[in-house]
Amino acid sequence: SYVLTQPPSVSVAPGQTARITCGGNNIGSKSVHWYQQKPGQAPVVVVYEDSDRPSGIPERFSGSNSGNTATLTISRVEAGDEADYYCQVWDSSSDHFYVFGTGTKVTVL
Amino acid sequence: EVQLVESGGGLVQPGGSLRLSCAASGFTFSSYWMSWVRQAPGKGLEWVANIKQDGTEKFYVDSVKGRFTISRDNAKNSLYLQMNSLRAEDTAVYYCARTHITLVDYWGQGTLVTVSS
Repeated sequence: SYVLTQPPSVSVAPGQTARITCGGNNIGSKSVHWYQQKPGQAPVVVVYEDSDRPSGIPERFSGSNSGNTATLTISRVEAGDEADYYCQVWDSSSDHFYVFGTGTKVTVL
Repeated sequence: EVQLVESGGGLVQPGGSLRLSCAASGFTFSSYWMSWVRQAPGKGLEWVANIKQDGTEKFYVDSVKGRFTISRDNAKNSLYLQMNSLRAEDTAVYYCARTHITLVDYWGQGTLVTVSS
């Protein structure tokens, strides 16, 4: 099955930039989506189709995807960005059609 | 506004059954594939099952095949998950989710299922 690997944690000071990676075999050929999940809440889409943002999501959230790595970048990090972040792709060859990454906990120092 | 509201979770003994429901509103329910996604305590997200707009196609993760059944009632704007032969490893928050092609674009707030004796 298709595996997406994320770092367990990323720490960043307020105002700085956080980068969360998502590694997968030739992930650059797939469409990658990113979700933010705060404690006790449901996930919310922050970036879809590699780099698009839903309405209401700040421009500080951006994404890129190439080769074997996709990246979610959070610029000018704020305290409210502290959350778990998951990448996701769709893989028809996997028994998990919707494949989620292992998740990254972003801590704002 | 898209709303998905799950119900039916609770405590059940190993080997028992539970039926989850999801009431959808704010969009044309019959136009979308729908999914169930679960999250074990302190763990990541795992897609469980999905169902086509008209209910004619259904897919499951291997670990629940033969035990879980997804269904829908478009007249009632409702999604269901019948869970039989429950195991401790099925303990999780179960989210009802709308999917759009490859994206899980809206999620409910989830309902907790605890399998324990």
